[in-house]
This record gives sequence, C-alpha cells and structure tokens, in this order.
Amino acid sequence: NAGVTQTPKFQVLKTGQSMTLQCAQDMNHEYMSWYRQDPGMGLRLIHYSVGAGITDQGEVPNGYNVSRSTTEDFPLRLLSAAPSQTSVYFCASRGGHSYGGYTFGSGTRLTVV
Amino acid sequence: ELKVEQNPLFLSMQEGKNYTIYCNYSTTSDRLYWYRQDPGKSLESLFVLLSNGAVKQEGRLMASLDTKARLSTLHITAAVHDLSATYFCLTQGGSEKLVFGKGTKLTVNP
Repeated sequence: NAGVTQTPKFQVLKTGQSMTLQCAQDMNHEYMSWYRQDPGMGLRLIHYSVGAGITDQGEVPNGYNVSRSTTEDFPLRLLSAAPSQTSVYFCASRGGHSYGGYTFGSGTRLTVV
Repeated sequence: ELKVEQNPLFLSMQEGKNYTIYCNYSTTSDRLYWYRQDPGKSLESLFVLLSNGAVKQEGRLMASLDTKARLSTLHITAAVHDLSATYFCLTQGGSEKLVFGKGTKLTVNP
C-alpha cells in the first residue's frame, strides 16, 4: 500500500545509546519531515528535506541528525539518547503540487530510560 | 516567528449540537491544514485551504480560511460520537516548516 512507513513502532533505549528511526515513502514525494509529539505541545518540527541531498533544521533539531540520500528514505538518527527525547515521532511527506496535504506515518513511540 | 493558536483546547459536546474550533496564526501564510488524530494513531488529513475565503466541507465538518484576519475555523454540525478525536490546525512558516497548533481534544457525549 502506498504511504509513509515508519519503523520501529516502539523502542526503548538506555540513556547514551544511539539509534536510527526509519521512514520510507513510495509516493515519489519531494518533501519529507520529522516531528515529535509531546503531551500538551502539539507536534514540533525536528528536521525536514525538500529533496534528495537537501536537509534543514526545524524547531527542535538538537540531538538529532538526518540525511536524504534517496527520494524514498529519510532516516532520523539519535546520536546519544536522553530522557528528554522520550516522545512519539512522526514522519511525513508531501508531493510537489501546491494543493496537496501531508501524509503522516504511523509513528514511533520512543522511551529513553 | 510563526505561532498558531487553537481554541478551545478541550471541547465537550453533546451529540446533535454545533460548535466551532478557532485557529489563529501570527504571520502571513499561504496555506492552512486541518488534521484529525485518534488516540494512539497517526494524523489524518481533513482539509487543505489554499486561498482567502476558501471553504471546504466534508460530512459534518466545514473549514474556512480568512487570510486577512489570519483565522481559520472548523465548524462541526450536529456532532456525533465518531467525531471524538483531537483536531490540529497547522500552517507553513516558510518552505516546509510546518507549525502546529496544540490541538483541540473533542469529546462528543451521547
């Protein structure tokens, strides 16, 4: 099925560990982005990409890295996990036409202990 | 800095009643989105509003956009239990920098 696929769905990390959250889309969308959702704060942009090889920071980029080597994939790397990074992470993508909305993945629930 | 404010943040309604959720944003933006999120689930697109005066309707939900007032509304007509969810408005602060409101948690009671 076409859409945005995120893996894993759940993850528990120890403080200081690193990991990569995967995001893949099969809609040939140019734009991809990562958000974190925390209670009472809505969703906040971490990093985004306007095409392969092009990434930029969002509102809360510290502690996260991204790369976009292909159109389809946009992984999010946690360099050294901290309890403050406990959150639900969503990846989203959008095509280039002006009238399109964003398609969100199903989310990754991350707990850092 | 673009900010998006939704109100109310919590809304408890009776089935059959009407209500409006308001979304104000602080700087010029060329598009406004409404999304729905059920507990533990992802976000589902409801409306994309692209121009001043845009009005879109889907079932019991109607969204509008007034770019001069920097205001969007989501109107609920004759609410039913299935509409219980959290509703987000979001807009773009430039390029692909989406900014979200904090969400309105709607509960529709029998």
